[in-house]
Amino acid sequence: DIQMTQSPSTLSASVGDRVIITCRASQSIGRWLAWYQQKPGKAPKLLIYKASTLESGVPSRFSGSGSGTEFTLTISSLQPDDFATYYCQQHNSYPITFGQGTRLEIK
Amino acid sequence: EVQLVESGGGLVQPGGSLRVSCAASGFTFSDSSMSWVRQAPGKGLEWVANINQDGSVKYYLDSVRGRFAVSRDNAKNSVFLQMSSLRADDTAVYYCARDSGIYRYFVSWGRGSLVSVSS
Repeated sequence: DIQMTQSPSTLSASVGDRVIITCRASQSIGRWLAWYQQKPGKAPKLLIYKASTLESGVPSRFSGSGSGTEFTLTISSLQPDDFATYYCQQHNSYPITFGQGTRLEIK
Repeated sequence: EVQLVESGGGLVQPGGSLRVSCAASGFTFSDSSMSWVRQAPGKGLEWVANINQDGSVKYYLDSVRGRFAVSRDNAKNSVFLQMSSLRADDTAVYYCARDSGIYRYFVSWGRGSLVSVSS
């Protein structure tokens, strides 16, 4: 199985900050990586797929990059609505696996 | 508008069985591969099972294979997860999710159904 590891586990930041979350795969997954945002008590929401393709309706301050085993999610200027938990997910092969999550909290 | 509505969760004793259902609307259900993803309390996301468009191909997480069975009824726009030999570590919110087709990421999610396994 492909293991996905996110860092950091928790990130403290302020409105307006630029933040980067990293996701590493235990083996190459090409560009088959998705990112989700989840708020407490809610279902996850797709942000990015195929490493860098922004889902329709997602603000352009979100961007993704990477290939192979190392990927990043960047939020260019944090907004109050962005404080949430973020998960990466490899969509290269079954079993589908997620990172453990990065909780983005207000500094 | 795409809607996925789960039902059937609840409290069950260890070793028991339960079936969760997901009713879909707002898209062509029979054209969509569907998955179940779970989240234990306070924990991360864990993919559980997938079923293809006509129900002929299914994939499972190793820890549930042989205990859980995914199925669908395209005439009723519904997907199901039959769970048996339930264990305490199966306790989670179970989300129904619409796959992106062949690309295996999840474009739409239901609100989830809580399954608690406890004596």
